[in-house]
Amino acid sequence: DQQVKQNSPSLSVQEGRISILNCDYTNSMFDYFLWYKKYPAEGPTFLISISSIKDKNEDGRFTVFLNKSAKHLSLHIVPSQPGDSAVYFCAADSGTYKYIFGTGTRLKVLA
Amino acid sequence: DVKVTQSSRYLVKRTGEKVFLECVQDMDHENMFWYRQDPGLGLRLIYFSYDVKMKEKGDIPEGYSVSREKKERFSLILESASTNQTSMYLCASSLNSLTNEKLFFGSGTQLSVL
Repeated sequence: DQQVKQNSPSLSVQEGRISILNCDYTNSMFDYFLWYKKYPAEGPTFLISISSIKDKNEDGRFTVFLNKSAKHLSLHIVPSQPGDSAVYFCAADSGTYKYIFGTGTRLKVLA
Repeated sequence: DVKVTQSSRYLVKRTGEKVFLECVQDMDHENMFWYRQDPGLGLRLIYFSYDVKMKEKGDIPEGYSVSREKKERFSLILESASTNQTSMYLCASSLNSLTNEKLFFGSGTQLSVL
């Protein structure tokens, strides 16, 4: 049973445009959500997080939106850059520190 | 910045061998984790540890064991390696369990079992 789902395995976006990566979850106990970026042959690096008491968190070009009623979060990257090309994972935690990760979305930003 | 170091980037082992994957973190983090990453399956938690000598099973612990004798070091052991354990193994750490804390990952070990 996949508690955290990223239904789009891949996404291509033109440089300078907005990239929107989506993540759905099923467990209403999740109260903290994170996004990670992963380049090939490297470990994931933390991008941005959001607590369930918020519906938006912004950090530079990256914004995460949380819709608790829909159990949905999204990561917006504006403007997208070629260096953003990577696999993006969303993760969720219910306070047990057992982070549950999605299957990832491969983003390709075209120059 | 936190550094999580995995001892090997690439490993090739034979079926039935006992395999040790080592991970060290340098920021006095309480929690340490082992994940494996497989295409189409994302990151799956194998084991984690919230204190020295303490461990808990993750979602896929079968065929694995762990050891945490010192706070900074967390080892993953494949008792008898099998081909379905060919994967990218990722170690991570986080500060503590009192507040929501992000994970810091190592660079990963690509293990091939032949």
